[in-house]
Amino acid sequence: AQSVTQLDSQVPVFEEAPVELRCNYSSSVSVYLFWYVQYPNQGLQLLLKYLSGSTLVKGINGFEAEFNKSQTSFHLRKPSVHISDTAEYFCAVTPNNNNDMRFGAGTRLTVKP
Amino acid sequence: DAGVTQSPTHLIKTRGQHVTLRCSPISGHKSVSWYQQVLGQGPQFIFQYYEKEERGRGNFPDRFSARQFPNYSSELNVNALLLGDSALYLCASSLKFSNQPQHFGDGTRLSIL
Repeated sequence: AQSVTQLDSQVPVFEEAPVELRCNYSSSVSVYLFWYVQYPNQGLQLLLKYLSGSTLVKGINGFEAEFNKSQTSFHLRKPSVHISDTAEYFCAVTPNNNNDMRFGAGTRLTVKP
Repeated sequence: DAGVTQSPTHLIKTRGQHVTLRCSPISGHKSVSWYQQVLGQGPQFIFQYYEKEERGRGNFPDRFSARQFPNYSSELNVNALLLGDSALYLCASSLKFSNQPQHFGDGTRLSIL
């Protein structure tokens, strides 16, 4: 079965600074990769996804991620964060033949003024 | 178009009781998946239903069951509630069995006293 490790449980950054949230995965089959964001008392909102093709994926709100097959990583980046980016971020992986999505434990991004 | 809707939004039960949670997928979506998110953790896969049949099951006891109706809405049932069942229960829908991405509802917050 596939699994996901988010390497940082908390990431504090100052407003307008760049940020990288790290994600590594393991799987014996081909996978799809995702980043979701969760604001307090809400469900998950899709930021971006990698299904196939270009390894650099651009998502909403200025986020992007790069799929690195050799390092089994899918790190999330943003060149300049805003206060409104403060939220919990989840990396997720699913096999390409079903919807059994496995999530990491989450990274709490806190953007300080 | 309406997103994934879940009801109720909050629920309080006592140990040993039974609970039913409901989910309406996005119009046209035939796959519904259920996830449990314990406070401070990432969501964990419980079930996937597609075309009214169970197509995937996570590592949850038999106290958890679900079904999907002809209109593709779904119910999650939990019997003999335990304190550890307190969590946010998320429903996600997608067009097809292994079609991505999944779209999440805002969840049902279940508290067990």
